[in-house]
Amino acid sequence: KAGVTQTPRYLIKTRGQQVTLSCSPISGHRSVSWYQQTPGQGLQFLFEYFSETQRNKGNFPGRFSGRQFSNSRSEMNVSTLELGDSALYLCASSTRLAGGHEQYFGPGTRLTVT
Amino acid sequence: GDSVTQMEGPVTLSEEAFLTINCTYTATGYPSLFWYVQYPGEGLQLLLKATKADDKGSNKGFEATYRKETTSFHLEKGSVQVSDSAVYFCALSETEGGGNKLTFGTGTQLKVEL
Repeated sequence: KAGVTQTPRYLIKTRGQQVTLSCSPISGHRSVSWYQQTPGQGLQFLFEYFSETQRNKGNFPGRFSGRQFSNSRSEMNVSTLELGDSALYLCASSTRLAGGHEQYFGPGTRLTVT
Repeated sequence: GDSVTQMEGPVTLSEEAFLTINCTYTATGYPSLFWYVQYPGEGLQLLLKATKADDKGSNKGFEATYRKETTSFHLEKGSVQVSDSAVYFCALSETEGGGNKLTFGTGTQLKVEL
């Protein structure tokens, strides 16, 4: 079974631009969560989608948004990029919408904002 | 809100040494507890988990016991190898109501030398 895939793996953008990151979960997984990883703030939860609906949201500004498609693939969008948005963005998939279940992480997208 | 505190790194050990990485948590409900590992340039991999008090999670020689009385989930391994060098994250998720949202500790870097 293929793992979680994320595209692109690396991205360089300029401040003020917007960016879209993609995540394809493991086949059969309906939950996709997104996390931001930075040296200063560590791993922080962005949001979770299940069956095309956002179920949970972290404490991030409205510039961060996401969506999920009927095939469970998910995208996240960051508008009006700031230097502080430079981070590794990780997505994770799971079979169910409930704590305690295994989540499988992708390799991440490394975003650099200049 | 929920939080996870884990010992600061880096931790440097000789091969075959005993490993302990401390982790304590604060949660409003009865969370599930996890240890994830991140190798350089990769995403997170689930190492082990425990979903209720007194459960012991184990995998690849690593163990951790869910201690409700001390709100702890310390990671141990009897004999580390060079290949165990990585960053280790303790995390929790609420069993009910929080979906799959993970709250992570800051991570502990482990370096194992010959």
